[in-house]
Amino acid sequence: TQLLEQSPQFLSIQEGENLTVYCNSSSVFSSLQWYRQEPGEGPVLLVTVVTGGEVKKLKRLTFQFGDARKDSSLHITAAQPGDTGLYLCAGNLYNQGGKLIFGQGTELSVKP
Amino acid sequence: NAGVTQTPKFRVLKTGQSMTLLCAQDMNHEYMYWYRQDPGMGLRLIHYSVGEGTTAKGEVPDGYNVSRLKKQNFLLGLESAAPSQTSVYFCASRYTVPGELFFGEGSRLTVL
Repeated sequence: TQLLEQSPQFLSIQEGENLTVYCNSSSVFSSLQWYRQEPGEGPVLLVTVVTGGEVKKLKRLTFQFGDARKDSSLHITAAQPGDTGLYLCAGNLYNQGGKLIFGQGTELSVKP
Repeated sequence: NAGVTQTPKFRVLKTGQSMTLLCAQDMNHEYMYWYRQDPGMGLRLIHYSVGEGTTAKGEVPDGYNVSRLKKQNFLLGLESAAPSQTSVYFCASRYTVPGELFFGEGSRLTVL
């Protein structure tokens, strides 16, 4: 059983559509991060959220941390083919020092 | 800029053989991690270290051992490789929590 449940696992959409990816857990996190991974490479950080209820925007990407710090979402507006990739959420477990765990990932494909 | 370097990049083992994966970082990072990545499973934490001389178990530690004798190096050992350990292994490091995690390029291990 994965501590961080990500959904959906796969998403195939047309250019211009909006989408939301969810990251849920029954555990509390001191902070949560979103990474993006391209084939053959390591993940690269997109954002870190640390405060319950926090919302951060990165161009067409909006990230939200749940009030109880157990969940997060990533919303992409007007998706483009360049957004194609694997999106991963990762959480620092509360009171467990540097332990950082990842969700299963969401494979996003944006078709032109 | 070397960043995080993993060696070897590829390795094929027979069941029962042993091997060591080396991770080196030149960013003076305190925290280092070993993850494995399998299709549909995201990144699963094997072991991690919060500083020189320390190690801690992650989500899937069985069959692996680690050592952090020097701050810049984090070694992952497989004493008796099994086909279930066929995977892509990623090393990562960061300076602080919840800092950005920097990843190596990955090491593809196949156990026959």
